[in-house]
Amino acid sequence: QQQVKQSPQSLIVQKGGISIINCAYENTAFDYFPWYQQFPGKGPALLIAIRPDVSEKKEGRFTISFNKSAKQFSLHIMDSQPGDSATYFCAAPPRKLTFGTGTRLTIIP
Amino acid sequence: EPEVTQTPSHQVTQMGQEVILRCVPISNHLYFYWYRQILGQKVEFLVSFYNNEISEKSEIFDDQFSVERPDGSNFTLKIRSTKLEDSAMYFCATRQGTEQYFGPGTRLTVT
Repeated sequence: QQQVKQSPQSLIVQKGGISIINCAYENTAFDYFPWYQQFPGKGPALLIAIRPDVSEKKEGRFTISFNKSAKQFSLHIMDSQPGDSATYFCAAPPRKLTFGTGTRLTIIP
Repeated sequence: EPEVTQTPSHQVTQMGQEVILRCVPISNHLYFYWYRQILGQKVEFLVSFYNNEISEKSEIFDDQFSVERPDGSNFTLKIRSTKLEDSAMYFCATRQGTEQYFGPGTRLTVT
């Protein structure tokens, strides 16, 4: 099974700070890299995704950075807010999603 | 915005009993999935379904599991003889293009 390795497992960031979550993948055939956000008791919701033909994608406060040669991609949350407190999963696409182990993000005032 | 719905939201069953989890996909989506998430763990792929047949399944999806689209709208996951370790959140997901959209999940508790 293709592995998707995610770090850190948990992250505490002060309100207004930058949250950074990293993901590494193995299969160079992957062509789509999503990040999902999950609140307790809810299903994962697509947050942002990138294709490997670009190195960065920004949507509001959320940015994906993609490093094809290193087979890594990361999620940056700028100006982190308490409402961003959730578990974040990277995943490998798209026919079936292989999820990373998740990062529990807590934003403190 | 169209969404995936799942019923029931919570199902409690005794070990050895059969359960059926139901999903209503987004109407124009053609690819359907079931995933599960054991409490505190990552989301794991179970099975994908396209054109009325299974297109891929994981090693978790053994003979006690089955899926079907009985009436062209619902998409169901059946667990024939539940075990304690089947206790988890079960998520249905659907897609048309690249993005998968997840339902809110069914919490299955096997006692």
